[in-house]
Amino acid sequence: QKEVEQDPGPLSVPEGAIVSLNCTYSNSAFQYFMWYRQYSRKGPELLMYTYSSGNKEDGRFTAQVDKSSKYISLFIRDSQPSDSATYLCAMWAGGGNKLTFGTGTQLKVEL
Amino acid sequence: DGGITQSPKYLFRKEGQNVTLSCEQNLNHDAMYWYRQDPGQGLRLIYYSQIVNDFQKGDIAEGYSVSREKKESFPLTVTSAQKNPTAFYLCASTITSAGSRTHGYTFGSGTRLTVV
Repeated sequence: QKEVEQDPGPLSVPEGAIVSLNCTYSNSAFQYFMWYRQYSRKGPELLMYTYSSGNKEDGRFTAQVDKSSKYISLFIRDSQPSDSATYLCAMWAGGGNKLTFGTGTQLKVEL
Repeated sequence: DGGITQSPKYLFRKEGQNVTLSCEQNLNHDAMYWYRQDPGQGLRLIYYSQIVNDFQKGDIAEGYSVSREKKESFPLTVTSAQKNPTAFYLCASTITSAGSRTHGYTFGSGTRLTVV
């Protein structure tokens, strides 16, 4: 079993929809949680990070962490075609000082 | 502007040939990483370096080698021992390994390597 599981998609939604992207994890030592966005043939870029449980909002993006369920989510409101990309979750436990990445979910927002 | 530069963007390798991928950063970051990305497999860590003149193997180091002689540079050599090298290679850096928990990694734009 992988430490971090992420549905690969692809996920296709109409413009303006609310998108929910999710990751589950098995390592209870993970404390910091991140979301990256990767456009085709480009490197990932950090969208936002959260520490421990709770919500964090940044514009149209909301990151949510539920440590009791070992489940994290990224919500995108009023989705736009420019949001079409692969979204990767990443987590940091501290011991190895390295991030552990999910496999990524491919999102397509259609006009 | 600060960032990570990977070159070349596209690289073609013949069977039995060694090739070197370049990664340069001007962010004054201590830690650097090399990942391989294949469809459906996400990012797999090849090598990482937390400080100059020191590096550690990641999960899939076989057939690869690195050096870290300068803080700014972390080149990756794909040797002929790597049997399936066709992939998208990403270099990343972070301020320090511990600092990655809040700063995350900064990635380059990648090098697509194809065996011909």
